[in-house]
Amino acid sequence: QKEVEQDPGPLSVPEGAIVSLNCTYSNSAFQYFMWYRQYSRKGPELLMYTYSSGNKEDGRFTAQVDKSSKYISLFIRDSQPSDSATYLCAMSAHQAGTALIFGKGTTLSVSS
Amino acid sequence: GAGVSQSPRYKVAKRGQDVALRCDPISGHVSLFWYQQALGQGPEFLTYFQNEAQLDKSGLPSDRFFAERPEGSVSTLKIQRTQQEDSAVYLCASRDKSSYNEQFFGPGTRLTVL
Repeated sequence: QKEVEQDPGPLSVPEGAIVSLNCTYSNSAFQYFMWYRQYSRKGPELLMYTYSSGNKEDGRFTAQVDKSSKYISLFIRDSQPSDSATYLCAMSAHQAGTALIFGKGTTLSVSS
Repeated sequence: GAGVSQSPRYKVAKRGQDVALRCDPISGHVSLFWYQQALGQGPEFLTYFQNEAQLDKSGLPSDRFFAERPEGSVSTLKIQRTQQEDSAVYLCASRDKSSYNEQFFGPGTRLTVL
């Protein structure tokens, strides 16, 4: 079993839909949680960063962390065709100087 | 300013050849990471530098993989005697010492071993 599990999809939704992306993890030492977006043939870019449990909102994006369940989520409101990409969850136990452990990524397609 | 750059963007090698992949991190970033991303997978950690010191190389899959950052800026990932299973995208990321663990990624080098 991998440390971080993420359903690879693909996930197809119409424009304007609310999208929910999720990851589960097994290592209780993880404290820093991130969501990256990766367009085809590009490097990952950071979307959201959360420390420990709780919610964080940034525009149309909301990240949630439930450490008791070892479960993290990313919600995208009013999804747009430009949101079509692969979404990677990533996490680490320490703030600095440590590798990020990534999920497999979920491929999202938003149709207009 | 400029982001992380990597070269070449694409590399085709015959099995058994040696390859060298270059990473230019964001100027002033002290931390540099290499990841390997297989098709349909998330990136997997290979190695980490702080300045010129290689502090963690636990993710390197074999002794055919070697990385260096001699002057604490540009880094090179070298793969000797390439095998087909080495085919992947190799991503470089850098991080500012003052930031939280945000790692800025380059576009990657897509390596195909025939």
